[in-house]
Amino acid sequence: QVQLVESGGGVVQSGRSLRLSCAGSGFTFRSYGMHWVRQAPGKGLEWVAVIWYDGSNKYYADSVKGRFTISKDNSKNTLYLQMNSLRAEDTAVYYCATHYGNYPSGFFDYWGQGTLVTVSS
Amino acid sequence: QSVLTQPPSLSGAPGQRVAISCTGSSSNIGGSFDVNWYQHLPGTAPRLLIYGNNNRPSGVPDRFSGSKSGTSASLAITGLQAEDEADYYCQSYDSSLSGSVVFGGGTKLTVL
Repeated sequence: QVQLVESGGGVVQSGRSLRLSCAGSGFTFRSYGMHWVRQAPGKGLEWVAVIWYDGSNKYYADSVKGRFTISKDNSKNTLYLQMNSLRAEDTAVYYCATHYGNYPSGFFDYWGQGTLVTVSS
Repeated sequence: QSVLTQPPSLSGAPGQRVAISCTGSSSNIGGSFDVNWYQHLPGTAPRLLIYGNNNRPSGVPDRFSGSKSGTSASLAITGLQAEDEADYYCQSYDSSLSGSVVFGGGTKLTVL
């Protein structure tokens, strides 16, 4: 069955960097576009970034543009999120999800359990 | 402030029908972008409930249904059960935003 397992979360000081990983299994990883979505404490879901199945296109939410970088290693079945210049407002549970369909349409069909990032000041 | 507006909370008794609204604008739902719905229990992975406005993935009970009209969409749950208590999010795309993906603010459904 499809599995997405995030890792790399933790406590980090404001202004520092962190890299999240999302390991996929049970599906043809190289054929899927992937997203990062986050949920701050007590808040709703917020889309963060998307990458095409082959890494050829990437888009970011305005709140993270210029600070976060999404990437995908199809040889390792792993999605990444490099987060630089972290701020307190980046504190959230970060989820990876697969994208089904053409963009901008389609849906998020599989999700991971999330990894918690806490940015301390 | 979310681009898609949902009621923050809703409640219903077991067996009842509830409907969660998702209101957008001409640049998202009204612009012919499809609406998807997700169910989320705290500490777990969100689950796709409805895709393409009114389609259920396999494994989702037919008690859940979706609809879309104009700049709004709705998720209906009939025969409410205790296990339906969760947060529900609508999701679509917006032609005016970077990356285009938008989520509603979420609705906390309480089963009385």
